[in-house]
Amino acid sequence: DVKVTQSSRYLVKRTGEKVFLECVQDMDHENMFWYRQDPGLGLRLIYFSYDVKMKEKGDIPEGYSVSREKKERFSLILESASTNQTSMYLCATRPNTGSPLHFGNGTRLTVT
Amino acid sequence: QKEVEQNSGPLSVPEGAIASLNCTYSDRGSQSFFWYRQYSGKSPELIMSIYSNGDKEDGRFTAQLNKASQYVSLLIRDSQPSDSATYLCAVENTGGFKTIFGAGTRLFVKA
Repeated sequence: DVKVTQSSRYLVKRTGEKVFLECVQDMDHENMFWYRQDPGLGLRLIYFSYDVKMKEKGDIPEGYSVSREKKERFSLILESASTNQTSMYLCATRPNTGSPLHFGNGTRLTVT
Repeated sequence: QKEVEQNSGPLSVPEGAIASLNCTYSDRGSQSFFWYRQYSGKSPELIMSIYSNGDKEDGRFTAQLNKASQYVSLLIRDSQPSDSATYLCAVENTGGFKTIFGAGTRLFVKA
């Protein structure tokens, strides 16, 4: 069974802080994704990665960056956290195109 | 026009009834379609994948796909209170680079 682990379940940060959200998967999946979920807006794609050291912008990349130094780990970075980045962040993986996504448990980030 | 559209609901059905959830999408080149269920405070979990026109059944769930009409639906037969959740329609874009989600339909099944 695929396990996708997000480092924190709840996180509270201050405006302007640099924030790291970590995601680790144990199934050797090629593709990894970061989404944020907000009420009424559904899941929106921030960044994704198809391979180590590779990254692509999703639909809402502004204010975020990512890092994938190892295949199993995909990190989302908020360079300078702002209150409008308060959200639920979901990491997801899949083995390849056409496969469904496997989600981590999510990180609820609050920026004050 | 949103890329993936769902009626936000809430959709309320009595226990034992059929719940019908609908989804339309805009990318004509999409080839892979998914339904996820999300309980409050939890992450989405896959219910069904569908790739070809027609119906696909799995237990009480039936997914229906019509690519010509750009329409995907999910039927839940013999609805149970435990089916109460938000149902997310997801569509892979042309080329399969990313999966795009609808905003979800909230379903309530009344005992």
